Amino acid sequence: DIQMTQSPSSLSASVGDRVTITCRAGQSITTYLNWYQVKPGKAPKLLIYAASRLQSGVPSRFTASGSGTDFTLTISGLQPEDFATYYCQQSYSVSPFTFGGGTKVEIK
Amino acid sequence: QVQLQESGPGLVKPSETLSLTCTVSGGFSSSYYWSWIRQSPGKGLELIGYISHSGSTNYSPSLKSRVTLSVDTSKNQFSLKLTSVSAADTAVYYCAREVVFYGCFDFWGQGTLVTVSS
Repeated sequence: DIQMTQSPSSLSASVGDRVTITCRAGQSITTYLNWYQVKPGKAPKLLIYAASRLQSGVPSRFTASGSGTDFTLTISGLQPEDFATYYCQQSYSVSPFTFGGGTKVEIK
Repeated sequence: QVQLQESGPGLVKPSETLSLTCTVSGGFSSSYYWSWIRQSPGKGLELIGYISHSGSTNYSPSLKSRVTLSVDTSKNQFSLKLTSVSAADTAVYYCAREVVFYGCFDFWGQGTLVTVSS
């Protein structure tokens, strides 16, 4: 399995802040990297696919970059609805696809 | 708009079989894979496996010996069976649609909590 490591595991931020989450793969996954937002009791939401492509309907304050083993997700101008847990997921190796451990973004 | 909804028992006894169904509305297309993903309490997301419209499957190696996925295209449904469950299988179970080319999950159900307990 390809190990995916996210950092930090949690962070506190205020509305309007710029937040960056990092995801590191255990081997090169080129740009087969996706990002999700998960809130309790709600359907998880795809934010970014193929490392940097914004999913339709997702606000442009979400941006992402990276290739190979190192990736970042940035939220520019944090909004109240952005407080959630964020996961990266590699889709380079199908056996199986693996997720990072998650980053919980909390209100400061 | 595609919508997915999980259904099934919320409580399963140890050693028994967990059975869940996902009903898809708004398009149960053969262009996608249909997946099950779970999240154990306090832990991250884990892919269980996927099934195609034609019934081809791919299972996580760690669960392969206990998992069976099936599809019923006439009902726009796909299903999960997990045998010999233990407390470690307690989790929120999600069904999701996989975009094959990118390997991303673009639509998800809200999830259903399944507790394994006697």
